[in-house]
Amino acid sequence: AQKITQTQPGMFVQEKEAVTLDCTYDTSDPSYGLFWYKQPSSGEMIFLIYQGSYDQQNATEGRYSLNFQKARKSANLVISASQLGDSAMYFCAMSTGTASKLTFGTGTRLQVTL
Amino acid sequence: NAGVTQTPKFQVLKTGQSMTLQCAQDMNHEYMSWYRQDPGMGLRLIHYSVGAGITDQGEVPNGYNVSRSTTEDFPLRLLSAAPSQTSVYFCASSYSGGRDSYEQYFGPGTRLTVT
Repeated sequence: AQKITQTQPGMFVQEKEAVTLDCTYDTSDPSYGLFWYKQPSSGEMIFLIYQGSYDQQNATEGRYSLNFQKARKSANLVISASQLGDSAMYFCAMSTGTASKLTFGTGTRLQVTL
Repeated sequence: NAGVTQTPKFQVLKTGQSMTLQCAQDMNHEYMSWYRQDPGMGLRLIHYSVGAGITDQGEVPNGYNVSRSTTEDFPLRLLSAAPSQTSVYFCASSYSGGRDSYEQYFGPGTRLTVT
């Protein structure tokens, strides 16, 4: 069975600072994908970034980067230069075998302050 | 493209009633899924489909039924609503192709309350 663990229920960060949101995963499948989604207070799910288990380099998408440490089974999201609009819930998720089946963590609520 | 659409946005049901949550996508995605999100929790997979005529159970399928007669539509049926089914329901779709890397496109969600 697959499992995603997010141990930070809430995080605060000052505007323009960088922040790391933690995610660890567990799977026995050698092939898997790791995703981060953002859920603002309006409720929609917004895709941020993807990392494949065989990818050699860490994924980056603009201000988002994924710190992938395969041996530690961690896939932390790094947001650089935080903005007020980054305040939201952030979910780490994993897929194995098919992209139609995601396993989600419980999320981290990020608050960006002035 | 409208993307993934869900109707209704809000629904209140009485215990024992049945209803269908509608989901449609216009991106010609083969994969479609239903998730539920309870307070303080991540999304949990209810049912999914890898193509028209093919469905399978996810993590929490009890009390729900699905069918996939077309590529575009993937309705979720609540057979006999219970208060434990009060939740926000998300439909999602994605490309296929044998890879697990494709992002899932989510609909806006349906907020369901069962009294």
